[in-house]
Amino acid sequence: AQTVTQSQPEMSVQEAETVTLSCTYDTSESDYYLFWYKQPPSRQMILVIRQEAYKQQNATENRFSVNFQKAAKSFSLKISDSQLGDAAMYFCAYRGVTGSYQLTFGKGTKLSVIP
Amino acid sequence: ETGVTQTPRHLVMGMTNKKSLKCEQHLGHNAMYWYKQSAKKPLELMFVYSLEERVENNSVPSRFSPECPNSSHLFLHLHTLQPEDSALYLCASSQDVQGRTEAFFGQGTRLTVV
Repeated sequence: AQTVTQSQPEMSVQEAETVTLSCTYDTSESDYYLFWYKQPPSRQMILVIRQEAYKQQNATENRFSVNFQKAAKSFSLKISDSQLGDAAMYFCAYRGVTGSYQLTFGKGTKLSVIP
Repeated sequence: ETGVTQTPRHLVMGMTNKKSLKCEQHLGHNAMYWYKQSAKKPLELMFVYSLEERVENNSVPSRFSPECPNSSHLFLHLHTLQPEDSALYLCASSQDVQGRTEAFFGQGTRLTVV
């Protein structure tokens, strides 16, 4: 079974600074997808960024980028120029291409942004 | 607004009550999901529907009963719940159940069982 581990229950960052959230996963599959979701206090989970395992190039979405290390099974999220609106729970998620249809989530990292 | 609407937003029910959670998506998606989110735990997948057919049931107790009358609507019927069932219940939809498709989530129903 796949597992996703987020080792940082809480993180904080100064506004305008950069922060990196870590995520590791365990799988025996060679092809899969990885996601970072953001859950603000409004509770609505929103996709931040997606990475396909067969692509070596790291995904980037504006201020958000990932460092995908397939051999190490690591998928960290970097947030540049942090803004107050970035404060939220961040969840790393895994989804395979065969077998189960589910997204497997980590426990989440609570990010605080300090003005 | 991501196109997935859940009602009610909050629900308090006794252990002998029967209630239903509703989810509606306006995105034309073919797959819908129920997740349970408890404090300090990862999201747990409960049910998956693809084209109105249940394709996954993750050993969920029978006191939770899903219903998918059409591809836009998903219900979760609740009866004789336990206090440990108190949690945030999230509905999601995606274009299909394939790996790369993004899941869109509703705002959840905060359920408290007393």
